[in-house]
Amino acid sequence: QQQVKQSPQSLIVQKGGISIINCAYENTAFDYFPWYQQFPGKGPALLIAIRPDVSEKKEGRFTISFNKSAKQFSLHIMDSQPGDSATYFCAASGRNTPLVFGKGTRLSVIA
Amino acid sequence: NAGVTQTPKFRVLKTGQSMTLLCAQDMNHEYMYWYRQDPGMGLRLIHYSVGEGTTAKGEVPDGYNVSRLKKQNFLLGLESAAPSQTSVYFCASRTSGVETQYFGPGTRLLVL
Repeated sequence: QQQVKQSPQSLIVQKGGISIINCAYENTAFDYFPWYQQFPGKGPALLIAIRPDVSEKKEGRFTISFNKSAKQFSLHIMDSQPGDSATYFCAASGRNTPLVFGKGTRLSVIA
Repeated sequence: NAGVTQTPKFRVLKTGQSMTLLCAQDMNHEYMYWYRQDPGMGLRLIHYSVGEGTTAKGEVPDGYNVSRLKKQNFLLGLESAAPSQTSVYFCASRTSGVETQYFGPGTRLLVL
């Protein structure tokens, strides 16, 4: 039973374009939805996170959109750069549920 | 301030051998986690600890044991390694009341 479903598995975007990664969850008790970024050979690092009391959160070129009724959330990377090439993981957790990760999306930004 | 460190960085084991992976954090974090990362599978939680002397099972605990004798250290043990345990293992920690997890650099384990 996969609690957090992430798509696509891989994504190729032109430099300057918009990268969009989607996630869906099942457990309505989840109340924290982070995105982690991982570069090759490194551990994941928190990129941005949202709680369900807001529908959108923006930090620089990165935006999380959250749809509570649809149980979906997405990461938008505006003006994508080659340095954004990495693997992105969505995740979710609740009060009594440790963080559960999606399977990841490998993003390649090409010039 | 080294953050989260993991020892060793890489190890090759033969089937049936045992080993212990060490995670250390210098941020005085209460919570510590062990994950495994396999291609196309994301990060899966093995075991975690909410404080010194406590441990709990995660999603994929079979074949692993853990101990948290000191607040700063979280040990992951493989009693009898199997090829299915070939993976990259990540440790993470966080402080109580803050959800952000800080990950170590990983340990790559190959079981032949």
